[in-house]
Amino acid sequence: DAGVTQSPTHLIKTRGQQVTLRCSPKSGHDTVSWYQQALGQGPQFIFQYYEEEERQRGNFPDRFSGHQFPNYSSELNVNALLLGDSALYLCASSLSVGDYNEQFFGPGTRLTVL
Amino acid sequence: AQSVTQPDIHITVSEGASLELRCNYSYGATPYLFWYVQSPGQGLQLLLKYFSGDTLVQGIKGFEAEFKRSQSSFNLRKPSVHWSDAAEYFCAVGLKTSYDKVIFGPGTSLSVIP
Repeated sequence: DAGVTQSPTHLIKTRGQQVTLRCSPKSGHDTVSWYQQALGQGPQFIFQYYEEEERQRGNFPDRFSGHQFPNYSSELNVNALLLGDSALYLCASSLSVGDYNEQFFGPGTRLTVL
Repeated sequence: AQSVTQPDIHITVSEGASLELRCNYSYGATPYLFWYVQSPGQGLQLLLKYFSGDTLVQGIKGFEAEFKRSQSSFNLRKPSVHWSDAAEYFCAVGLKTSYDKVIFGPGTSLSVIP
């Protein structure tokens, strides 16, 4: 049973460009959350997708957007990249069914903005 | 507001010595607590978790953590540290009242002296 997968593993972009990161949730999961981990910090919640809609959002600008597809996979898009967007981007999936639904994290995509 | 604090930014211990990493959280509802470890350039690995029941939980790699509700703490311990334990450690709380979003602490960097 495959866990959460993310692509690409690494990515290098320049300021002002746009980037798309991809996430496939763990089999059977229907909810995808995205986190940003800047160097030397703990991960910060960006947003969460459920039933193809953004269900909640952290304190990130509108340059960060996402999408969830009918097969529950998800994309994170970042427009007008800034140097400060360089980070490890983590995807987490869960099944929204119980009292508390544990999130399972993927290996991450490391984005470098030059 | 919900938060997680890890008072120690960096800890150095000798190989074979005992270890305790501190974690305090602020959350009004039932906490779902986690400890993750991250090696340089890697993703997150779950060490252990507390959802309910016995307040002393055992994890992988010989780690354990104790939940103390009265102190809002979830400290991580290991009786004998190995050189391979050198890494970044993150305490986290899952928010049942916020669609299971995970709030991470800032992390504690562990160095091990041979």
